[in-house]
Amino acid sequence: AQTVTQSQPEMSVQEAETVTLSCTYDTSESDYYLFWYKQPPSRQMILVIRQEAYKQQNATENRFSVNFQKAAKSFSLKISDSQLGDAAMYFCAYSPGTASKLTFGTGTRLQVTL
Amino acid sequence: EPEVTQTPSHQVTQMGQEVILRCVPISNHLYFYWYRQILGQKVEFLVSFYNNEISEKSEIFDDQFSVERPDGSNFTLKIRSTKLEDSAMYFCVSRYGNVLLVNTEAFFGQGTRLTVV
Repeated sequence: AQTVTQSQPEMSVQEAETVTLSCTYDTSESDYYLFWYKQPPSRQMILVIRQEAYKQQNATENRFSVNFQKAAKSFSLKISDSQLGDAAMYFCAYSPGTASKLTFGTGTRLQVTL
Repeated sequence: EPEVTQTPSHQVTQMGQEVILRCVPISNHLYFYWYRQILGQKVEFLVSFYNNEISEKSEIFDDQFSVERPDGSNFTLKIRSTKLEDSAMYFCVSRYGNVLLVNTEAFFGQGTRLTVV
């Protein structure tokens, strides 16, 4: 069974600084998809970034980028120039196919301080 | 931008009552899902639905739960006899599911907060 592990229950970063959230996963599949979702206090699930496993290039979306290490089964999220609005729960998720279910990690609560 | 719409946003029900949570997925999507999130915990998969039938379900999705898409647009989750432990946020999700499509995003609805008292 696929599992997703987020080992950092809470992280804190100062405004304008950079923070990295960790995620590891376990799978026997060779092709799959990885996602980072942001969940603010409203509890809406907002897609931050996604990575297709067959792509070697790390995904980037503005201030958000990932470090995808396929051999190590690691998928970390880097947030640059952190803003107060980045404060939220962040969930890492895995999906073995374009229509398959998502398996989520337990989340990392990110605090952004002044 | 297309969106998944869930109603109601918040439902309070008495233990033992039946509830129906409703979702309108994105119109050209083919795969539909329900997930739940107990407060302070991770998001858990309940069931996936494709071609008018369940394609996969989790251990959580027991005989008290059912899903249907009666009119080709609304996608509903029914809980027949609610328990206190069913209190959670329930998310409806839709995906297009075409491997040729670059965008493999799972579109989440805004959630229905179910409170069982």
